[in-house]
Parts: sequence; C-alpha cells; structure tokens
Amino acid sequence: AQTVTQSQPEMSVQEAETVTLSCTYDTSESNYYLFWYKQPPSRQMILVIRQEAYKQQNATENRFSVNFQKAAKSFSLKISDSQLGDTAMYFCAFMKPSGNTPLVFGKGTRLSVIA
Amino acid sequence: NAGVTQTPKFQVLKTGQSMTLQCAQDMNHNSMYWYRQDPGMGLRLIYYSASEGTTDKGEVPNGYNVSRLNKREFSLRLESAAPSQTSVYFCASSLKGNPYNEQFFGPGTRLTVL
Repeated sequence: AQTVTQSQPEMSVQEAETVTLSCTYDTSESNYYLFWYKQPPSRQMILVIRQEAYKQQNATENRFSVNFQKAAKSFSLKISDSQLGDTAMYFCAFMKPSGNTPLVFGKGTRLSVIA
Repeated sequence: NAGVTQTPKFQVLKTGQSMTLQCAQDMNHNSMYWYRQDPGMGLRLIYYSASEGTTDKGEVPNGYNVSRLNKREFSLRLESAAPSQTSVYFCASSLKGNPYNEQFFGPGTRLTVL
C-alpha cells in the first residue's frame, strides 16, 4: 500500500519570503501522480499543483513549484513571495496511474503567513 | 456548473441516529469518492465508486454504507451514528481519461455525533 508522509505539522513564513513544505511517499509503482492541495479556513480543497512521475521536469504554477526527486521518493512544494492568502493547510497526495483511483493523502502541514 | 455539491453543510446527531449525506456532481464524471477528515489525520477514503453501478471499500469503511444512485449522485449513509464518526466529510469526483485524473472536491459536511 502507498503511504504519504508530511513531517512538518506546522510552519510559518514572513510575507514575501519563500517557504518549502516537505513530502515523502512510499510506493512500488513506476508511474503515478502526485498532488499538492490547499485547504484554507473555508475548508474547500483546492488543487495547487500536480506532477506525473515519468516527467522529469518539475511542475510550476505561478508562485508554486515542486522539487520532485523520484529516486528519493520526495515531492516538496516551494511557495515563493508568500502572501497572506497562502495561509492554509497543505496536503500532499498520491494517486496510482490507472485512473479513477482514490487519492492517498498525507496528514497535512499547517502554514501560517505572517505580515 | 455547480461542480460538486454536498448536503447538508452541517449536522448534529445523537448516538444511534441515522442519516444520509448527499453528494451530486454536474461535470459528467464517472468516478466519485467519499473521504473523511479528522484533525491530524489528513483525508482518508471511506468508499468510492469507479463507475456507475460499482462501489468499493476504502481505508475506513466500517459504520458506513454508500449508494451510487446514478452517474451524478453518490450518497453516504450512517445507519447508527457513533461519536467516533464526528468528522468533516468530503465528496469528490473525477473523469477517467482527463490529464492527471484530477479530483474535484465538494465543500464538505461537518458532522458532530453527541
């Protein structure tokens, strides 16, 4: 079974600074998908960024980027120029490649952006 | 497009009561999921339905039943609620074949069992 580990329960960052959230996972699959979801106080789950394992290039979405290290089974999220609106829970998630399969989530990292 | 909708948004039950959480999606997705979120535990899968007419257990299915009523709707039933089922429940859906099989989430239902 796949497992996802987020080792940082809470983090904080000053506004406009850069922060990196860690995620490691365990799988025997050779291809798979990885995701970061954001959950603000509204509780809505919002997809931030996604990565397919066979693609070596790290995904980027505006101020959000990932550092995907397949051999190390590591998938960290970097948030640049942090904004107050980035304050949220962040969840790392794994999905098998067969499609229509459930997500396996980490326990989350609570990020606070401080003015 | 409303996306994924869930009703109710909040509910308080007494131990032993039953209730059904409703979920509907208008995106013509074929797969639907129920997760629960507990503090410090992330989201855990209760049941999912890969396609209309099929359902499968997830990590934490005990105490729940599901019904895939049609392609749009996937309900979650608690037959005899217990305090351990106090949680936030999320429904999600996805379309097989879309890039990355992204899942879209509903707004969640906060359930308290006294």
